[in-house]
Amino acid sequence: AQKVTQAQTEISVVEKEDVTLDCVYETRDTTYYLFWYKQPPSGELVFLIRRNSFDEQNEISGRYSWNFQKSTSSFNFTITASQVVDSAVYFCALRGSARQLTFGSGTQLTVLP
Amino acid sequence: KAGVTQTPRYLIKTRGQQVTLSCSPISGHRSVSWYQQTPGQGLQFLFEYFSETQRNKGNFPGRFSGRQFSNSRSEMNVSTLELGDSALYLCASSLNPTSWTGGTEAFFGQGTRLTVV
Repeated sequence: AQKVTQAQTEISVVEKEDVTLDCVYETRDTTYYLFWYKQPPSGELVFLIRRNSFDEQNEISGRYSWNFQKSTSSFNFTITASQVVDSAVYFCALRGSARQLTFGSGTQLTVLP
Repeated sequence: KAGVTQTPRYLIKTRGQQVTLSCSPISGHRSVSWYQQTPGQGLQFLFEYFSETQRNKGNFPGRFSGRQFSNSRSEMNVSTLELGDSALYLCASSLNPTSWTGGTEAFFGQGTRLTVV
């Protein structure tokens, strides 16, 4: 069985602060994929990033960065210099041999002006 | 390029009725997956269709069913609605089925908000 845990239910920051969203996963698969999605109030899940289990290289994309650490089964997401438009629910997800996405419970990020 | 289109956006049904939700994937995408999102259970996988065949199924009762047409459009049906079926139903399309490659990106629609009263 696979499981994704996002321990932070809600986070509030003031604009321009950096914020890190935590994600811890469990799987017995040796090959798996990790994803981050953003869900704005409109409802659709917006794909942000994908990582496979063999690629631990961290990535920076503009104000976004991701830290994948296999040793701690974590795939954390950092937003630098947060903006009000970043306010949304962020989901971490895992896809292993079962092939369907297993989502965490989500973290509601509120960026205050 | 149009995204994933789900219709209707909102729906109110009475307990015991049945409902059909529709999903049109991104042009060229052949795989469609359905997810249910509720405050209590979060996002849960319902099923995946590719080439008009169900390829994968989550742990939902038989009241939940789906199908896919030759143009890749998909419908999801829920019969004998229960209050607990109230949820946001999200459809995701992928170029290929996840059974081919687990890394395939899934693009989601805005969902259908179903309320059962």
